[in-house]
Amino acid sequence: QITLKESGPTLVKPTQTLTLTCTFSGFSLSTSGVGVGWIRQPPGKALEWLGIIYWNDDKHYSPSLKSRLTITKDTSKNQVVLTLTNMDPVDTATYYCARSRYNFGVAESDSWGQGILVTVSS
Amino acid sequence: DIQMTQSPSSLSASVGDRVTITCRASQSFGNYINWYQQKPGKAPKLLIYAVFRLQSGVPPRFSGSGSGTDFTLTISSLQPEDFATYYCQQTYSTSFTFGQGTKLEIK
Repeated sequence: QITLKESGPTLVKPTQTLTLTCTFSGFSLSTSGVGVGWIRQPPGKALEWLGIIYWNDDKHYSPSLKSRLTITKDTSKNQVVLTLTNMDPVDTATYYCARSRYNFGVAESDSWGQGILVTVSS
Repeated sequence: DIQMTQSPSSLSASVGDRVTITCRASQSFGNYINWYQQKPGKAPKLLIYAVFRLQSGVPPRFSGSGSGTDFTLTISSLQPEDFATYYCQQTYSTSFTFGQGTKLEIK
């Protein structure tokens, strides 16, 4: 059974740095083709893809967040960490992590965490 | 960035109706399209990947099709549990993107 769970602060102040951890089980981030991605959703709005880290430590980020976003992994702990600097109220959202794998040559996210609502406010 | 434009943004339908949601990409690519269903307060759920391949456990009333820049998700006979928001996603570029969503409501 695959599970993912996001953890971290639910309230951050403007200009602070957000650090979220995705702890997963049921798969390995050492397996070829596997990645863990981050997606967020502001209240009442659409999903926004943020970035992904792959089994080989390859990383890709949304161009709009690339200067502020870092994703790292600790394979031995089954964890992926998202760091987002210079937080602003517009970054208020539910943040999800999700497993990504290649299926018939196409990357898809078949397992998701429950999400964590992060509010940016002074 | 590849932009994904879904239509309609919202849709009212009745149980038993056939419904089609469209996703148009800003550039042409192959079969790198996935569809997700999201219910209020829940994480998205993968329905279809690689344009038409049904994720395990998803009822066959869901189907996907398309090519080039235009892709569709069809629900052949709406069930009460299908009222939700649906998102397309492209995974062709290294920066994946979602459509803006289609909210399917009960008429």
